[in-house]
Amino acid sequence: EVHLVESGGGVVQPGGSLRLSCEASGFSFSEHAMYWVRQVPGKGLEWVSLIIWNGETSHYADSVKGRFTISRDNKKDSLYLEMNNLRADDSAVYYCGKERGGSGTQPIENWGQGTLVTVSS
Amino acid sequence: SYVLTQPPSVSVVPGQTARMTCGGDNIGRKSVHWYHQGPGQAPVLVVRDDDFRPSGIPERISASNSGNTATLIITGVEAGDEGDYYCQVWDSPTHLVVFGGGTKLTVL
Repeated sequence: EVHLVESGGGVVQPGGSLRLSCEASGFSFSEHAMYWVRQVPGKGLEWVSLIIWNGETSHYADSVKGRFTISRDNKKDSLYLEMNNLRADDSAVYYCGKERGGSGTQPIENWGQGTLVTVSS
Repeated sequence: SYVLTQPPSVSVVPGQTARMTCGGDNIGRKSVHWYHQGPGQAPVLVVRDDDFRPSGIPERISASNSGNTATLIITGVEAGDEGDYYCQVWDSPTHLVVFGGGTKLTVL
């Protein structure tokens, strides 16, 4: 069974940094593209970033480009999101997602339970 | 950037059919995926690639995609179908993933 467990969320001041992690199990992690999707409580889903199976290509939403960095460690079955220069509008639940394939063009077929990030002074 | 438009809400009585649309420019040329998010839950993929149901998704759920509109249809709606439904595409020119704003399904 696929398990995705996010961690690293918390409260951070504006301008601060945070690193999210997603520990994966139950599938061949190195074969799948991985995603970060966020959701302000009570609002819709917003795609944040994706990284293809081998880590060589990543894409970002315009709202986070230049501030967030996605990475993965296929030896540790883990996905990361380094978030810098955080703003209040980055506050959200951040979900880790596993793509059906490895290319970054297919649907997210499994989701974690999310980790809450709050940016506030 | 590519935009997907969904009606904010749809209401149906139990046993009836719910139809939820997702509008986008020539969306029929893209592969559309649909997710259901129950209250307090993570999203679940219910339809991929326009009309394919993943394993475990009931046959009551179907979908289509043509022209400028993709549609998710749930027949024999049950209380457990309540929640938010999101459509999603991959926009190849920009390499961006796009979600619609979501439709809240209420079972009266």
